[in-house]
Amino acid sequence: GAGVSQTPSNKVTEKGKYVELRCDPISGHTALYWYRQSLGQGPEFLIYFQGTGAADDSGLPNDRFFAVRPEGSVSTLKIQRTERGDSAVYLCASSSIGGGPQYEQYFGPGTRLTVT
Amino acid sequence: AQTVTQSQPEMSVQEAETVTLSCTYDTSESDYYLFWYKQPPSRQMILVIRQEAYKQQNATENRFSVNFQKAAKSFSLKISDSQLGDAAMYFCALSPPYNTDKLIFGTGTRLQVFP
Repeated sequence: GAGVSQTPSNKVTEKGKYVELRCDPISGHTALYWYRQSLGQGPEFLIYFQGTGAADDSGLPNDRFFAVRPEGSVSTLKIQRTERGDSAVYLCASSSIGGGPQYEQYFGPGTRLTVT
Repeated sequence: AQTVTQSQPEMSVQEAETVTLSCTYDTSESDYYLFWYKQPPSRQMILVIRQEAYKQQNATENRFSVNFQKAAKSFSLKISDSQLGDAAMYFCALSPPYNTDKLIFGTGTRLQVFP
């Protein structure tokens, strides 16, 4: 079946603008994760959904970042008043029923966000 | 706090040879999971191998194996018979078993494979 998909692949926006990044997880996967990967760094956890609810949002850097998953499938990461420091690759991953490290996280190709 | 350290920003290996990538970590938990992920230029992270800390036997997946030293908090990846397609960024990651969310990644090692 299809893997995790993310759209857009690349997004260029001006400082101060609002952006939405979309993630389509593998069908049937209830756990969904967002990570941010800055240049030269490893991915950094942002938020984790189990079903429709955010089970852990401790990685969101500030209140400009928000994520939703209203029907327990597709998720959208929303960034308000973007700043140049938000430039990074945003990765989405999903895993099957239980979540947890015993279940493999499958990653999408990411969205490269550039804030000018 | 849990941390993962990869001290080798870049490594290189000749095709068909063996290379070892290093990883150390810090956690106060007695049980946890460790991972190696590969990230090619396509950006898509691919799980290479996984180790459960309570298992003493080192994990092996075909040409990939780990040397897990729990007391030293060390988790190195050995790639045997290196192939050109192994060239990528490799990330070591840590996750505690009861924490159903985050993976904690190191900064990565770029592996080059020369013909």
